[in-house]
Amino acid sequence: SQTIHQWPATLVQPVGSPLSLECTVEGTSNPNLYWYRQAAGRGLQLLFYSVGIGQISSEVPQNLSASRPQDRQFILSSKKLLLSDSGFYLCAFGRDEQFFGPGTRLTVL
Amino acid sequence: QQQVKQSPQSLIVQKGGISIINCAYENTAFDYFPWYQQFPGKGPALLIAIRPDVSEKKEGRFTISFNKSAKQFSLHIMDSQPGDSATYFCAAPGGSGTYKYIFGTGTRLKVLA
Repeated sequence: SQTIHQWPATLVQPVGSPLSLECTVEGTSNPNLYWYRQAAGRGLQLLFYSVGIGQISSEVPQNLSASRPQDRQFILSSKKLLLSDSGFYLCAFGRDEQFFGPGTRLTVL
Repeated sequence: QQQVKQSPQSLIVQKGGISIINCAYENTAFDYFPWYQQFPGKGPALLIAIRPDVSEKKEGRFTISFNKSAKQFSLHIMDSQPGDSATYFCAAPGGSGTYKYIFGTGTRLKVLA
């Protein structure tokens, strides 16, 4: 069966510190992968998507970057976090049907 | 940028009642319209979806109605239960050839026991 993992589940980081969130998918090959951010009480904002290894498309210019070093691994990074980077980060895979991971709650202080 | 307009923002329904959430979209790159259910602190889960070659799809107590000419679709929850209390998101396809979705802003549903 197909499963998706994200870690860590929660993270508290100081402003200016680096960030690395990881997402892995099992049970499928060559999936489309997505990073979303959800602000408190808001909808989902697509940040990055990838259709293959090393292929990353950015939807919103910002302080974040994404990489896909392996077929089923998707990483969200930042060199220096801002207060505005706080939120609930969700990884997803799929095409017409998209399946979400459990999310990472990031608080930047 | 394409938008998906979702309403209402919040909804309170008595147990056993009908919950109705509406969405309107603009242009689409492909035809697949999902609804997601999200509980606090969890990732969204696919609830039900429709391809607009049909005007309605029903799965248990959940029904999607689709009006392609009006570019609108809605979610109906029949016999609403307290366990249905969650936030619901509609999504419409955006972009071209990349299976990207534009999500509505969400509807927070509370079903009273």
